Amino acid sequence: AQTVTQSQPEMSVQEAETVTLSCTYDTSESDYYLFWYKQPPSRQMILVIRQEAYKQQNATENRFSVNFQKAAKSFSLKISDSQLGDAAMYFCAYRSENYGQNFVFGPGTRLSVLP
Amino acid sequence: NAGVTQTPKFRVLKTGQSMTLLCAQDMNHEYMYWYRQDPGMGLRLIHYSVGEGTTAKGEVPDGYNVSRLKKQNFLLGLESAAPSQTSVYFCASSRTGNSPFFGSGTQLSVL
Repeated sequence: AQTVTQSQPEMSVQEAETVTLSCTYDTSESDYYLFWYKQPPSRQMILVIRQEAYKQQNATENRFSVNFQKAAKSFSLKISDSQLGDAAMYFCAYRSENYGQNFVFGPGTRLSVLP
Repeated sequence: NAGVTQTPKFRVLKTGQSMTLLCAQDMNHEYMYWYRQDPGMGLRLIHYSVGEGTTAKGEVPDGYNVSRLKKQNFLLGLESAAPSQTSVYFCASSRTGNSPFFGSGTQLSVL
């Protein structure tokens, strides 16, 4: 079974600085998708960024980018020019291309942004 | 657009009571999911549906039942609530099975 690990339960960053959140996963499959979701205090789950495993180019969405290392099974999220509104729980998630509909989520990283 | 709507948003039950959580989506999505979120464990899939009239078990299905009688609705039932079912429950839907949209969650406490 696939597993997703986020080794940083909590992180903090100064406003306007850059922070990187780590995610590793375990799978024997070659085709899959990876995601980062943001959960602010409102509890709403918001998709931040998505990466297809077959794509070598790292996904980017405005201030958010990923470093996808397929061989190392690593999928880190970089937030540039951090803003107060970025403070939230961040979840890394994995979904197989070949099996079912189960998204496997990591335990999350709580990000604080310091003014 | 309402997106994915969950009702109720909060509920307190006594052990042994039953209840149903309702999820409604207005995006004509085929796929719908129920997750539970517990501290330090991320989200875990309870049940899911790939279309009207279909349901399937996820990672943690015990103690829960679901129904998808209409495409837009996905119901999660607890027949005999237990304290271990205290959690935040999320419903989600997606069109292709990818990048699901989530509801705002239901906080359930079982005393």
